[in-house]
Amino acid sequence: RKEVEQDPGPFNVPEGATVAFNCTYSNSASQSFFWYRQDCRKEPKLLMSVYSSGNEDGRFTAQLNRASQYISLLIRDSKLSDSATYLCAVPDSSASKIIFGSGTRLSIRP
Amino acid sequence: GAGVSQSPSNKVTEKGKDVELRCDPISGHTALYWYRQRLGQGLEFLIYFQGNSAPDKSGLPSDRFSAERTGESVSTLTIQRTQQEDSAVYLCASSTMSVGPYEQYFGPGTRLTVT
Repeated sequence: RKEVEQDPGPFNVPEGATVAFNCTYSNSASQSFFWYRQDCRKEPKLLMSVYSSGNEDGRFTAQLNRASQYISLLIRDSKLSDSATYLCAVPDSSASKIIFGSGTRLSIRP
Repeated sequence: GAGVSQSPSNKVTEKGKDVELRCDPISGHTALYWYRQRLGQGLEFLIYFQGNSAPDKSGLPSDRFSAERTGESVSTLTIQRTQQEDSAVYLCASSTMSVGPYEQYFGPGTRLTVT
């Protein structure tokens, strides 16, 4: 099992819809989790950090399911500007660095 | 404040040449990471520096790759005898241990093309 796995997508949803995607991880000892957003030909930018069961920031909600070892990102009332690749990241077993998933592509259509 | 900067932004080189990529982290950030991202792929960890500790070089793909960092400032990633498969975007990120090593801030990357 890969350390961090994501559905590559693409997820293609209409503007205003709610969309959610998951990220599974193998390190059961992980205590923190991260979602980054990467626009086309740009660098990743930190979107949300999750240090407990979840986190909410406006239209974005991240939830952690420790039993099943996955984190989810839910986007409500999606905007055209939400179109991007969403990367999840989880500390590795040494806890010295984070491992990135390969990303989920999201495309919002008018 | 100033973010992470990288130079050059683009580099085209001939196969077999050496290249040097530079990263200036955010001031005060003790941790610095290098990643490689091939077109359409995820981030591949290369090397990690934390303060004065020995770097974690576990991600370097071959001995043609090396990196140095002077104290808690600038880092250079050197690729010797470049190959076409080295073509990728090389991203640098920094973080501060006061927040945690995981909230990383990325530079804009260097796009390397080996012809």
